[in-house]
Amino acid sequence: DAGVTQSPTHLIKTRGQQVTLRCSPISGHKSVSWYQQVLGQGPQFIFQYYEKEERGRGNFPDRFSARQFPNYSSELNVNALLLGDSALYLCASSFGTISGNTIYFGEGSWLTVV
Amino acid sequence: EDKVVQSPLSLVVHEGDTVTLNCSYEVTNFRSLLWYKQEKKAPTFLFMLTSSGIEKKSGRLSSILDKKELFSILNITATQTGDSAVYLCAVGTGAQKLVFGQGTRLTINP
Repeated sequence: DAGVTQSPTHLIKTRGQQVTLRCSPISGHKSVSWYQQVLGQGPQFIFQYYEKEERGRGNFPDRFSARQFPNYSSELNVNALLLGDSALYLCASSFGTISGNTIYFGEGSWLTVV
Repeated sequence: EDKVVQSPLSLVVHEGDTVTLNCSYEVTNFRSLLWYKQEKKAPTFLFMLTSSGIEKKSGRLSSILDKKELFSILNITATQTGDSAVYLCAVGTGAQKLVFGQGTRLTINP
């Protein structure tokens, strides 16, 4: 069975540009979450979607947005990129919400903003 | 503010040693505690703990949760060079998020 898949794996963007990252959860999983991991730190929560509705939002500016599609895949959009947005963006999937469900991570998308 | 603290931040041991990694937490509406191993990119799931005092084991790895004292430990016995990685502790909360610690960087020397 395929795990959590993310694309692209690496990308380089210029300050001020916009980026879209994509995630396909494990088959049968209905929840997708997004995390940002800066080098040397633990991942920081950005969004959680369950059954196509936003169920949780972290402390990130409105430049960050996401959505979940009917097939449970998800996109994370970041507008007006800043140098500080350079990080590994991780997508996680689980069958249901946080309670009692194991959460699996994808390989991540490395974003470099120059 | 929800907080997860891991210690030590870095640990270097010799192959064959036993190590104990610590994770303490202060969160609102605790749901679960998870341990992950991160070598290059994707954190790989190790354990999920929800009940106090019940040890979970997988090969040379084991973990236990103390919900009264708000901490968990991850033990690795007979360490191997392949155990070298960053170990992440995360707490699942009612706000539908995982709160991660900073991680413990474990290096196993042959």
